Amino acid sequence: EAGVAQSPRYKIIEKRQSVAFWCNPISGHATLYWYQQILGQGPKLLIQFQNNGVVDDSQLPKDRFSAERLKGVDSTLKIQPAKLEDSAVYLCASSSPSAYGYTFGSGTRLTVV
Amino acid sequence: GESVGLHLPTLSVQEGDNSIINCAYSNSASDYFIWYKQESGKGPQFIIDIRSNMDKRQGQRVTVLLNKTVKHLSLQIAATQPGDSAVYFCAETQGGAQKLVFGQGTRLTINP
Repeated sequence: EAGVAQSPRYKIIEKRQSVAFWCNPISGHATLYWYQQILGQGPKLLIQFQNNGVVDDSQLPKDRFSAERLKGVDSTLKIQPAKLEDSAVYLCASSSPSAYGYTFGSGTRLTVV
Repeated sequence: GESVGLHLPTLSVQEGDNSIINCAYSNSASDYFIWYKQESGKGPQFIIDIRSNMDKRQGQRVTVLLNKTVKHLSLQIAATQPGDSAVYFCAETQGGAQKLVFGQGTRLTINP
């Protein structure tokens, strides 16, 4: 099966600019996650979708981060305006209800300068 | 808050030796644990999992041990190979909603 696709792979922006990341999960996976991974740390959950509904966004900085999954398939994560501390790898993952464990994409490495 | 942590940030072993990576967790309600391998520039890759009703599970060259009494998890890799060099994360589920909480990670280096 095809894996989780993410784009772009790399992005460099100046602080206060906006940026968007895209994720296409594995076909049929109802649950989609966005994680933020700061260098040297483990991934931290930002938001979890079940189909097109939000299950958990308790750790999403909602003043600057937003995410959507309008048709229950692809998802976008946006940051506006970006801060230096947003520099990280943004990982998308998906899972199916029949099994635990995720499949991760390769991530988008964001550098805010 | 409760979190998953690792004892050592780095581990170096000789090629062919066995390696053991440790992880401590603090949430006694966690019921499912996963070990992930992350190579440079890639997302975490599933290695092996274990449920809280088990204390040992084996895969190909890997074994996960779970000690619920002391809330400790370990990953054993047998006959390490250069391709095993990576950062290894343990993760646990909390709340039954498939939300994973990751530890900081251990960087494993295999020396030739």
